[in-house]
Amino acid sequence: AQSVTQLDSQVPVFEEAPVELRCNYSSSVSVYLFWYVQYPNQGLQLLLKYLSGSTLVKGINGFEAEFNKSQTSFHLRKPSVHISDTAEYFCAVSSPPPGGSYIPTFGRGTSLIVHP
Amino acid sequence: NAGVTQTPKFRVLKTGQSMTLLCAQDMNHEYMYWYRQDPGMGLRLIHYSVGEGTTAKGEVPDGYNVSRLKKQNFLLGLESAAPSQTSVYFCASSYGLAGRSSYNEQFFGPGTRLTVL
Repeated sequence: AQSVTQLDSQVPVFEEAPVELRCNYSSSVSVYLFWYVQYPNQGLQLLLKYLSGSTLVKGINGFEAEFNKSQTSFHLRKPSVHISDTAEYFCAVSSPPPGGSYIPTFGRGTSLIVHP
Repeated sequence: NAGVTQTPKFRVLKTGQSMTLLCAQDMNHEYMYWYRQDPGMGLRLIHYSVGEGTTAKGEVPDGYNVSRLKKQNFLLGLESAAPSQTSVYFCASSYGLAGRSSYNEQFFGPGTRLTVL
């Protein structure tokens, strides 16, 4: 079985400061990892994904994440946040067959609040 | 392309009433999903489908039924609504095994906000 833990339910930060949103996963097989963003009153949209290859993944809006297999983590980072980054962020994991089914498991989300 | 659309956007029901939420996608995706989102609980999978005519239970299936009669549509039904089903419901779709399966990112609809009184 796979699971995702987002270690912080809420992260307040000032504009132009760096931010890291933490995500740890557990899975007994190989994994695909995703970060999604949800702006207020909207659906989720993909920020970035790790499938294989380079462990540093770059996404939209200046975000990046690093896959660390030994620590089973996939933390999301941005060097300088904007007010417009205020949103809910979800980490998700899925596993390909034969060990998995592609059905993803989501974390509970981290609310990023950017203050002016 | 419209992507993933959901109907209706808002709905208020009384306890015991029934309703159907419609999800449609125009990306020829094989997999479709229904989630509910509640404060502090993240996204919880209700039911999903890996192809036309197939459905499967997710994490929280009780009180819901689904049907996938056409590849592009995925319906979520509440036969007898309860206040515990007050939530925001999201539909999503992805390529799955038949398409670009190595990616399998999900595309989400805008959500349906349901209140059961």
